[in-house]
Amino acid sequence: DAGVIQSPRHEVTEMGQEVTLRCKPISGHDYLFWYRQTMMRGLELLIYFNNNVPIDDSGMPEDRFSAKMPNASFSTLKIQPSEPRDSAVYFCASSLGQIDGYTFGSGTRLTVV
Amino acid sequence: QQQVKQSPQSLIVQKGGISIINCAYENTAFDYFPWYQQFPGKGPALLIAIRPDVSEKKEGRFTISFNKSAKQFSLHIMDSQPGDSATYFCAVLSGYSTLTFGKGTMLLVSP
Repeated sequence: DAGVIQSPRHEVTEMGQEVTLRCKPISGHDYLFWYRQTMMRGLELLIYFNNNVPIDDSGMPEDRFSAKMPNASFSTLKIQPSEPRDSAVYFCASSLGQIDGYTFGSGTRLTVV
Repeated sequence: QQQVKQSPQSLIVQKGGISIINCAYENTAFDYFPWYQQFPGKGPALLIAIRPDVSEKKEGRFTISFNKSAKQFSLHIMDSQPGDSATYFCAVLSGYSTLTFGKGTMLLVSP
């Protein structure tokens, strides 16, 4: 398996623009997680899905953030409108069950100028 | 409230030395304690993990020591190598929660 695949690897956008991050989880995994990593706050869970259904989005910072998982092999995280403080590395991770470790993608480095 | 506290924030060890990173947690419901290793530009990767029914787990040069009564666990890297230079995260998990990470430790192993 190719692991968790995220795209794009890097995204630079202007403040106010819409940004869409994409993730393909490992085939057969039933959980998908979106994390954000910053120097100040470390790794923070934004939202997670089980069998394509959003379970907990309490970590999503504002209404500007939204996430979808239309099928078992694809998820998106959208920021609209983007702001400079959204600059961070966004990771997608997947797992089989909720009692074991997660497999992370290589992340998307987002810079909002 | 920080569910897991990790220390030190950074660590410099000479090649061949022992690197030790510590984590403490509060919630006794946690039942899975992994360590992740992250290299620059990469996502965190599972390094080693332990469940509370054992006090120690060893995989090659990496050992987790677990103290259930003290609610602490630590990562020991024996014979540290420059290739071990990375950021290490402890984490906690239960069947009722998601993986929560410590703040991370930047390890530098000097040649």
